[in-house]
Amino acid sequence: DVKVTQSSRYLVKRTGEKVFLECVQDMDHENMFWYRQDPGLGLRLIYFSYDVKMKEKGDIPEGYSVSREKKERFSLILESASTNQTSMYLCASSERLGSTDTQYFGPGTRLTVL
Amino acid sequence: KNEVEQSPQNLTAQEGEFITINCSYSVGISALHWLQQHPGGGIVSLFMLSSGKKKHGRLIATINIQEKHSSLHITASHPRDSAVYICAVCRGGSNYKLTFGKGTLLTVNP
Repeated sequence: DVKVTQSSRYLVKRTGEKVFLECVQDMDHENMFWYRQDPGLGLRLIYFSYDVKMKEKGDIPEGYSVSREKKERFSLILESASTNQTSMYLCASSERLGSTDTQYFGPGTRLTVL
Repeated sequence: KNEVEQSPQNLTAQEGEFITINCSYSVGISALHWLQQHPGGGIVSLFMLSSGKKKHGRLIATINIQEKHSSLHITASHPRDSAVYICAVCRGGSNYKLTFGKGTLLTVNP
């Protein structure tokens, strides 16, 4: 079974702090994704990576950056956290890049920025 | 108007009932996915459809490309089916980007 793990289930940070959210997958997948999920808005793509050190902006990249130094690990970075970044963050991975390919999701990190 | 609309937003059923969740979309797509999210956050992929119908256990998913509509059916519903069900489409021309509906919260009472 594919396993996608995220470093924290719950995280509380203060405005202005630098925040790292870590995601690790154990199935040697090429592709990894970061989403945020907000009530009434559904999931939205923040960033996507299709290979080590390769990344592409999603629909809402402002205020975020990412790092993929190793194939299995994809990090989301909030350079200076703000209250409007309070959200549920979900990581996903997929083996291939295609409309029919399954994305496997991690359990999510609920981030609160005070 | 959202590109992916789900109905109903909330659904409460009694155990054993037949359940239908609907998804309508306004763009050309190459595939449609149904996902399940249990309380606590984890999301599981249920189906991927590009045409026709798929069945897995008590779950059935159908898609009508001409009408831009998909349905997820649950037969003989059970309290463990209680979850948020999410429809997501992959636009024609995109090879990976999913556009998600807002989800349908299903509660099945014993």
